[in-house]
Amino acid sequence: EDQVTQSPEALRLQEGESSSLNCSYTVSGLRGLFWYRQDPGKGPEFLFTLYSAGEEKEKERLKATLTKKESFLHITAPKPEDSATYLCAVQADGQNFVFGPGTRLSVLP
Amino acid sequence: DTEVTQTPKHLVMGMTNKKSLKCEQHMGHRAMYWYKQKAKKPPELMFVYSYEKLSINESVPSRFSPECPNSSLLNLHLHALQPEDSALYLCASSQGAGVNEKLFFGSGTQLSVL
Repeated sequence: EDQVTQSPEALRLQEGESSSLNCSYTVSGLRGLFWYRQDPGKGPEFLFTLYSAGEEKEKERLKATLTKKESFLHITAPKPEDSATYLCAVQADGQNFVFGPGTRLSVLP
Repeated sequence: DTEVTQTPKHLVMGMTNKKSLKCEQHMGHRAMYWYKQKAKKPPELMFVYSYEKLSINESVPSRFSPECPNSSLLNLHLHALQPEDSALYLCASSQGAGVNEKLFFGSGTQLSVL
């Protein structure tokens, strides 16, 4: 059965304190790994898609990387507006998305 | 226009009521989805429509009834819901229903069943 776990469950950072979020997955035939950001009471907002091990993508203070078993979302010098829940999701052959439980990030000024 | 619009934003209903949630997109996407999300949990897939035909029903109780009147609209009809059905209901769309199609989500309808 396809599984996605994320750690930590919650993370509190000071503004400017860089860190990484982890997404570990067990899936047969990974076709894509997706990162989303979700603000409270809102729908998830697409950030990145990674397709193969070794791939990296960047957007402003965020950088996503992918290995054969996990993905990391690196946050460099975060700001309070980066506070949100970060969800990763995997998609395997012919399957719909399997979402992880998310990491709740709080960035304090 | 890169938005998925959901109405209403909030809904309170009794267990005997009938209500509908609406979703609209004008991006030309051919796949549309309903997800249910409980607090501090990930979204759970309920239904997928591909080219206006229901392609996936994740064993959702019949008190939830989806409808896709055309390629831009998706409805979720609610009847005789239970308090445990209270959740954020998210609509999403994608270009197609294949792999590597990123989802565009609406802001959701926060549903409370009394």
